[in-house]
Amino acid sequence: DTGVSQDPRHKITKRGQNVTFRCDPISEHNRLYWYRQTLGQGPEFLTYFQNEAQLEKSRLLSDRFSAERPKGSFSTLEIQRTEQGDSAMYLCASSLDGGNEKLFFGSGTQLSVL
Amino acid sequence: GEDVEQSLFLSVREGDSSVINCTYTDSSSTYLYWYKQEPGAGLQLLTYIFSNMDMKQDQRLTVLLNKKDKHLSLRIADTQTGDSAIYFCAEKEADYKLSFGAGTTVTVRA
Repeated sequence: DTGVSQDPRHKITKRGQNVTFRCDPISEHNRLYWYRQTLGQGPEFLTYFQNEAQLEKSRLLSDRFSAERPKGSFSTLEIQRTEQGDSAMYLCASSLDGGNEKLFFGSGTQLSVL
Repeated sequence: GEDVEQSLFLSVREGDSSVINCTYTDSSSTYLYWYKQEPGAGLQLLTYIFSNMDMKQDQRLTVLLNKKDKHLSLRIADTQTGDSAIYFCAEKEADYKLSFGAGTTVTVRA
């Protein structure tokens, strides 16, 4: 396993459409995180899973956003009724629970909402 | 806004040392991290330091931590063109959450 993979790398959509992103973490990692990064800023925490349980959600995650990790392996992030303000890089990361929490990030999905 | 602050830009000559500085606000942070991001890519973990340490060295990288001033620095020795990237400082804000600075863009000139 070479790392965290995300699909697609780029997504262009029209305002109002729904989009879904996928993340495959490092196989033995039980924690999975979603972050959002806008131009010129550092990543901001959105949500995280411990195995299949979603344990924390940021207030940045509006009702239009939903994330799942059904079998404790891969995760999906869906955005409904996209808005131009949703345009950003969506980063997935994974880690092993406990201790220093080294997060390993994927290459991200760049979303552009027109 | 961020609780972690970094200078935005650094220009350095190839072969010189680079020093990237960061200040953070949460005195209870247990771990502090440095990540590197190249254009169009995700974040690569470079190194991290536990809060009870003052210094950590890893090959060309040296991390210095001043807990009293809540100041963290990353020194890159013998900077190369491949070191050109954005460097992010991050603190472990909670068990599950990292808080990142806005990043320092490092440009290495020949």
